[in-house]
Amino acid sequence: NAGVTQTPKFQVLKTGQSMTLQCAQDMNHEYMSWYRQDPGMGLRLIHYSVGAGITDQGEVPNGYNVSRSTTEDFPLRLLSAAPSQTSVYFCASSYSSTSSGANVLTFGAGSRLTVL
Amino acid sequence: AQTVTQSQPEMSVQEAETVTLSCTYDTSESDYYLFWYKQPPSRQMILVIRQEAYKQQNATENRFSVNFQKAAKSFSLKISDSQLGDAAMYFCAYTETSYDKVIFGPGTSLSVIP
Repeated sequence: NAGVTQTPKFQVLKTGQSMTLQCAQDMNHEYMSWYRQDPGMGLRLIHYSVGAGITDQGEVPNGYNVSRSTTEDFPLRLLSAAPSQTSVYFCASSYSSTSSGANVLTFGAGSRLTVL
Repeated sequence: AQTVTQSQPEMSVQEAETVTLSCTYDTSESDYYLFWYKQPPSRQMILVIRQEAYKQQNATENRFSVNFQKAAKSFSLKISDSQLGDAAMYFCAYTETSYDKVIFGPGTSLSVIP
């Protein structure tokens, strides 16, 4: 099992450029989400999805777009990168059940993005 | 809106000693889940422990245990017999339902002194 795969691991952008962070999971998880991690602020939720075709905004959605066309993939798009979007980004997924593992997030390895 | 607060940005503990990390949260719901996640220098997020709000019994995983005080909205993590490998950022997290968003606190950086 690969778990949650994020690409790329590192990226440098110039202000105004666009890019997509890819996230794929092979665990048939219904729930997928994107977080950004900044020093002293923990993980802040950007967008999340409870299934294919369904997305919703988190705490800090501005400047980011998502789509969920399949259960496996949940890409995060930066339309016009800004220095304030310099951060480490994490994709995470989970399933829902009554078992002890319900709602436990499985995280990708993270993507470090620098916007100059 | 639900919030998660961790009032200790940094903590340190002597190897083999016990340390407690604090977490408080704000919610009007009665049924929810609480978690502690660990992030070592490798940056990989790892689940430490999970608590279901409707369960009175505090969760335990080996050297890790929680003190869940539902009325006080408090969820502290106790690490016993601390080891060098416990050095990491620790995040408290909250979610209400099976499909709701998971909210994290700002984290506590734990150092373990040999």
